[in-house]
Amino acid sequence: GAVVSQHPSWVICKSGTSVKIECRSLDFQATTMFWYRQFPKQSLMLMATSNEGSKATYEQGVEKDKFLINHASLTLSTLTVTSAHPEDSSFYICSASKAGRDQPQHFGDGTRLSIL
Amino acid sequence: QKEVEQDPGPLSVPEGAIVSLNCTYSNSAFQYFMWYRQYSRKGPELLMYTYSSGNKEDGRFTAQVDKSSKYISLFIRDSQPSDSATYLCAMGQAGTALIFGKGTTLSVSS
Repeated sequence: GAVVSQHPSWVICKSGTSVKIECRSLDFQATTMFWYRQFPKQSLMLMATSNEGSKATYEQGVEKDKFLINHASLTLSTLTVTSAHPEDSSFYICSASKAGRDQPQHFGDGTRLSIL
Repeated sequence: QKEVEQDPGPLSVPEGAIVSLNCTYSNSAFQYFMWYRQYSRKGPELLMYTYSSGNKEDGRFTAQVDKSSKYISLFIRDSQPSDSATYLCAMGQAGTALIFGKGTTLSVSS
């Protein structure tokens, strides 16, 4: 199998707080992990691509200082939303793919972030 | 023209019906094609994965890729209420991030 675990599943916090979301590949090594954001009834919007041991590549319009990504190992990537504000409230989803050509992405169950 | 086009629906069918979901795309360099199923407030779940053209069958699901027409399909036979979800097509090239369609919402009534 290819299981991706994301934690926490739901977080509610006050404006100005920083929130860290973890994405783990449980039964495989993920050389590449992706972070997406999804608004209600919309498709996934890629935020950044994370490769183990190197800096993340951010999509246009995504603030790298706002959304800090760390891919510390082959099984763990973290997304930290710094000084979160209500407009950052969204559904954040990570995915991971195994090493090798043409491997599909496997998704975590997402994190619902609500900023009050 | 958007890279991937997918009719958002909603699509409503009775239990037992055959469902056809489709996506078109514009980038002829896309090599692999996927269908994901997403239930409300959950992450997408990989259903079908196809490399290059052709058909692939898995149980009640059949995925078709026609690269000459830049058109992919997912067929669901004997649809069940538990198939009610949003279906996302996705495609890409080796080493690059996937491009997703907007998703089609399917409702199967018993």
